[in-house]
Parts: sequence; C-alpha cells; structure tokens
Amino acid sequence: AQRVTQPEKLLSVFKGAPVELKCNYSYSGSPELFWYVQYSRQRLQLLLRHISRESIKGFTADLNKGETSFHLKKPFAQEEDSAMYYCALSGATNKLIFGTGTLLAVQP
Amino acid sequence: DTGVSQNPRHKITKRGQNVTFRCDPISEHNRLYWYRQTLGQGPEFLTYFQNEAQLEKSRLLSDRFSAERPKGSFSTLEIQRTEQGDSAMYLCASSLTGTGEGYGYTFGSGTRLTVV
Repeated sequence: AQRVTQPEKLLSVFKGAPVELKCNYSYSGSPELFWYVQYSRQRLQLLLRHISRESIKGFTADLNKGETSFHLKKPFAQEEDSAMYYCALSGATNKLIFGTGTLLAVQP
Repeated sequence: DTGVSQNPRHKITKRGQNVTFRCDPISEHNRLYWYRQTLGQGPEFLTYFQNEAQLEKSRLLSDRFSAERPKGSFSTLEIQRTEQGDSAMYLCASSLTGTGEGYGYTFGSGTRLTVV
C-alpha cells in the first residue's frame, strides 16, 4: 500500500538551529517525493521535489531509497519558516498521497 | 488569471442538506483534482479529471458524493444528505498533463464545510 509517514506532529526549534523534518514512505515502485508547505492563512504550495534536487529557501531533501525516507533539512532555521509541512508521494496513479504533516515552530 | 479559485470559502449546513462547491482551475490546466482535509490529517485524494473525463475516484467518495467537470473547465463537487463526518476542508488543485505528477499542482484556498 502507498503510505507517507511523518512521525512528528510538532517540531519546535530556536532561530538559527538546524531543522530536520522526517518523512518515510511505503511504495513498491519508483515514487516521486515532494514537500509541500502551508504558511498561516495561505494555500498549500510546493516547496520542492526530489527529482529537481534543488534547494528552496535553504531547504533540501534527499531521497534515500534504502531507508525509504525523504527528510527535509535546513541548517539554520528562520522565524519565517514557521509553517505546516507535508511530505507527499506520487506513483503511477496520478494522485498525491500526503502525510499527516508536521508543524514547524521557530522560536525567536 | 489569479490561480485556482474555490467558492464558497465557508459553508455551514444542517445535517441532511445538500451542498455544492465550485472550483475554477487555472485556465490552461487540463487536470483538476479534489482533495479533502480533516483536522490533524493531510489532504486525502477524492477524485480527478482530465478535461471533462473523471478518470479516478477514491473509496472515500461514497455514493452521496458526485463531481462533474462538464466542459473541461470549472468543476463542481456535490454532497447529498450531508453528515457530520463530512465536515472538512475541501481542496481543489489543477495541473497540466506532462508537467510531472505533483510538480505543477496549484491548490486553491479550499472550501470549509461545517455540518451541524
């Protein structure tokens, strides 16, 4: 079965601290993995996808097929990073499967 | 074009009533998706259209739910005989075929349904 697991509902860090938001997935084929972000009172929007291997707003994520993980990392958190983050998977079925989300709270 | 538009933003209805939501996608996008999000959960796939054809429906979409995209442009999602368990945020997204699944998704702001 296709599944995305985000074990942390809330991650609270201080400004300038490193951030790692965990995401594990279950999929029998070759999935595409994504991170979506939702800032307060804004729409859900794409942050990054594993295929592009880019860094957006200082965030990176590496797909680890052996551990079936796609953790989101940032070396130095900023207050404006506070938001809800969703990991999502897309397989051969043209739809996104989302995790339950992690609320990142960056304290000043 | 200001993106994906959903109406209404909020809807409060009594149990047993029917409700209809509308989604206007980005005009050149041929794919349109409906998701549902309840408190503490991520968005859950309901159904999607390519042009006017409804290509997939989730098990979550009971026979009380129906979605249409009659001319391949806007879409409507109707819930008949609403139940309290239908209370959720209903999200619409659109994309272009060939941009890679998920890459070109643009989400709307959602319609929040409360069934009392």
